[in-house]
Parts: sequence; structure tokens; C-alpha cells
Amino acid sequence: QKEVEQNSGPLSVPEGAIASLNCTYSDRGSQSFFWYRQYSGKSPELIMSIYSNGDKEDGRFTAQLNKASQYVSLLIRDSQPSDSATYLCAVTQYNNNDMRFGAGTRLTVKP
Amino acid sequence: EAQVTQNPRYLITVTGKKLTVTCSQNMNHEYMSWYRQDPGLGLRQIYYSMNVEVTDKGDVPEGYKVSRKEKRNFPLILESPSPNQTSLYFCASSRQGPFYGYTFGSGTRLTVV
Repeated sequence: QKEVEQNSGPLSVPEGAIASLNCTYSDRGSQSFFWYRQYSGKSPELIMSIYSNGDKEDGRFTAQLNKASQYVSLLIRDSQPSDSATYLCAVTQYNNNDMRFGAGTRLTVKP
Repeated sequence: EAQVTQNPRYLITVTGKKLTVTCSQNMNHEYMSWYRQDPGLGLRQIYYSMNVEVTDKGDVPEGYKVSRKEKRNFPLILESPSPNQTSLYFCASSRQGPFYGYTFGSGTRLTVV
């Protein structure tokens, strides 16, 4: 079983819709959770971090964490074509020396 | 501007020819790390460094070396590159460790023929 699992996609949504990206993780001790956006050929860019159960909102982005279910999600409201990218989920623990990444979900927002 | 600078961006080399990929950060971060990214496998850690002169192996260290002689620099060395090291490489840094998230460099696409 992979440590961090994501649906590889591609996920296609129309412009203006809500895009929902999901991630599950296997290590129950995980304490910090991240979503990175990666455009093709570019480096990952941190867009959301979440540390406690519940929702965290930042502009059009909402991260949701459920530690009991070992599940973290990212909602993108009012999706724009510029949101088309691969989204990487990542988890780690305090005092860990590594961050575990999922393989990413490719999102396409169609005009 | 706070950033992690990697060079070169693209590199094509031949099997066995030693090469170095440089990484430098200007944020006074203690922690630096190297990852490789391959399709379907995601990002995998090669080596990391908690501070100057402190380095350790990640998940896929075979065929790679690193050094951390100055806080800002963390070069990745391939002493005898092989075709299975063809990949996209990223350097990442963080204030004290991965817990608060990474800043990534712009990446180096390496092809070994």
C-alpha cells in the first residue's frame, strides 16, 4: 500500500465549477498536511497547509482534514483555466526528516 | 526575493561522466533536501541535510552524493551517472524541517544517455 494515495486523474471540470481533489494516507501519526500545485515542467508550489481536523480556507481554496479517516481533500471554488495543473498531496510528522508525497492528481479546467 | 536556485535547468550527459547539480537558498534555512520525480512514482527523497556538515540518506540514495559545507549550498553529485538516473530533480529547503512545508527550487531535468 502506498503511503499517500491520490487519484491520478485526469480530473476535468468546467470553468466556474468546484474541483474536489482527494488524498488518503497510511501513517496515523501524520501531523502536517500539504497541497502543492505543480504546472507542467515546473516546481511544486505550496498552496495550502493544514494541521488540525476541519476546514481551512484561503481564497478560493479550502483544505479539509479528517485524521480519523486518514483523509485530506482540497476544494477549488470557481475553478479557472489557470488552475489546470497537477496537485500533490504531502504529509509528514514533527521531527520527521522527510515528507511523503502522493503521485498527484492532474486537473484540467475547461473554458 | 526568497528563493532556492538550482543549476542547470537542463542537462544531457553520457553514462559515467561525473556531474554536479547545484542548489543554493537565500532564506537562512537549516534544512535542505534533494528529491527526484518520476512519472507515477511521485517525489522521492534522495538525501537531506539538517544543518552544516549534517547529511543523511533518504529513500533512494544509491548513486548519489551530497555535501553541506555552507548553510546556503547543498550540491548533488552523481559520480558515475547511469540511464536509470534520468529524472527531474528538485532541491527543497525549509526553516527547520519538513513540518512547515518546503520551498522548492526550479528543478533540473537530467537525461543520461
